[in-house]
Amino acid sequence: DTAVSQTPKYLVTQMGNDKSIKCEQNLGHDTMYWYKQDSKKFLKIMFSYNNKELIINETVPNRFSPKSPDKAHLNLHINSLELGDSAVYFCASSQDGRIGWETQYFGPGTRLLVL
Amino acid sequence: GENVEQHPSTLSVQEGDSAVIKCTYSDSASNYFPWYKQELGKRPQLIIDIRSNVGEKKDQRIAVTLNKTAKHFSLHITETQPEDSAVYFCAAKAGYSTLTFGKGTMLLVSP
Repeated sequence: DTAVSQTPKYLVTQMGNDKSIKCEQNLGHDTMYWYKQDSKKFLKIMFSYNNKELIINETVPNRFSPKSPDKAHLNLHINSLELGDSAVYFCASSQDGRIGWETQYFGPGTRLLVL
Repeated sequence: GENVEQHPSTLSVQEGDSAVIKCTYSDSASNYFPWYKQELGKRPQLIIDIRSNVGEKKDQRIAVTLNKTAKHFSLHITETQPEDSAVYFCAAKAGYSTLTFGKGTMLLVSP
């Protein structure tokens, strides 16, 4: 009964490959997010979707393409992986991200290592 | 856009001492200020939050204060325990905007 889940937990791949990370939430939330946490632990928003519609895209390279097939899922596809993409990627969800105050619930993270 | 500064970057205390982490924000429209705790290898989890219409909020050993005039807010942990050791993030949000996080404070509580 995990609230926000991600797969895979670990991802080790070569430069230039294409990979996907999946996220699912069973909280009935309308808004989902992708964050990147670098080696210095800095958490930075990448994308936000509200009810399958993209509402935030924070100057992320177009090699990153989010897809939301329904409001419970938000997947992240990354093309032509680079060394600098190595990080922990967290999915999160909230009831309605357009509202000012509400809790964001994070998934367990996907640790991506690009060799 | 919003800019959140967080200090200190690391904080070491003895068990039983108090710990204070401070954050400042730049956007005067910000009205929601959550604090997240991230244990090693785990996900960030909300521990307490405060809205702009409140100056202080307390939950057992943790409390948050907000000074809207000065645009700063602080996390206070009393009677620290080893299990409080983690990275703590402050964040700020204004309405429809994104949640902007501070760079985190690594708190180490020594027995």
